[in-house]
Amino acid sequence: NAGVTQTPKFQVLKTGQSMTLQCAQDMNHEYMSWYRQDPGMGLRLIHYSVGAGITDQGEVPNGYNVSRSTTEDFPLRLLSAAPSQTSVYFCASSYSRGVYEQYFGPGTRLTVT
Amino acid sequence: GENVEQHPSTLSVQEGDSAVIKCTYSDSASNYFPWYKQELGKRPQLIIDIRSNVGEKKDQRIAVTLNKTAKHFSLHITETQPEDSAVYFCAASDGYQKVTFGTGTKLQVIP
Repeated sequence: NAGVTQTPKFQVLKTGQSMTLQCAQDMNHEYMSWYRQDPGMGLRLIHYSVGAGITDQGEVPNGYNVSRSTTEDFPLRLLSAAPSQTSVYFCASSYSRGVYEQYFGPGTRLTVT
Repeated sequence: GENVEQHPSTLSVQEGDSAVIKCTYSDSASNYFPWYKQELGKRPQLIIDIRSNVGEKKDQRIAVTLNKTAKHFSLHITETQPEDSAVYFCAASDGYQKVTFGTGTKLQVIP
């Protein structure tokens, strides 16, 4: 049981490049989400999904896309990277949304130059 | 939407002393309040949570209290140890929408 996994661990992009951050969970959780963590700003929700085929925007969705074709996978796509997207990105999952413990992945540290 | 404020942003205590971190929330519909601990370079992990039908919950040296009328909840750590040094996040959720996190408290326990 690997829990929540994320790849890559580190990534450096140039402004304007695109890339996909991968997230997978093997706990059969319905709810998955993406957060970004910036110093002094806590964890801010980017997008979330309550099940396969269903996604919705969080607090800071601009510049990011998501899809959920399977229960296990929830990739985050950066369409055209900007320096403001330099951050640590965490994927999380829980049995359902809201009232259950969220399990976080190990994070991806992204730098955009 | 929900707004969660967390104080203090940094906290230093001597080993063995108690530490208290306070959070306030704005949405009266919120009914689930988890606390996460994040060690340096690691992922956040749940340490304790409380639901709105409960006023206090304890787990060994950690306790959380909730005052729904005042819309605030607190984390209490007693007999602090160096391994308690970390960033602590509070959060609030109404059970249907997103979980909103506070901005974090960096706790340093001085041996």
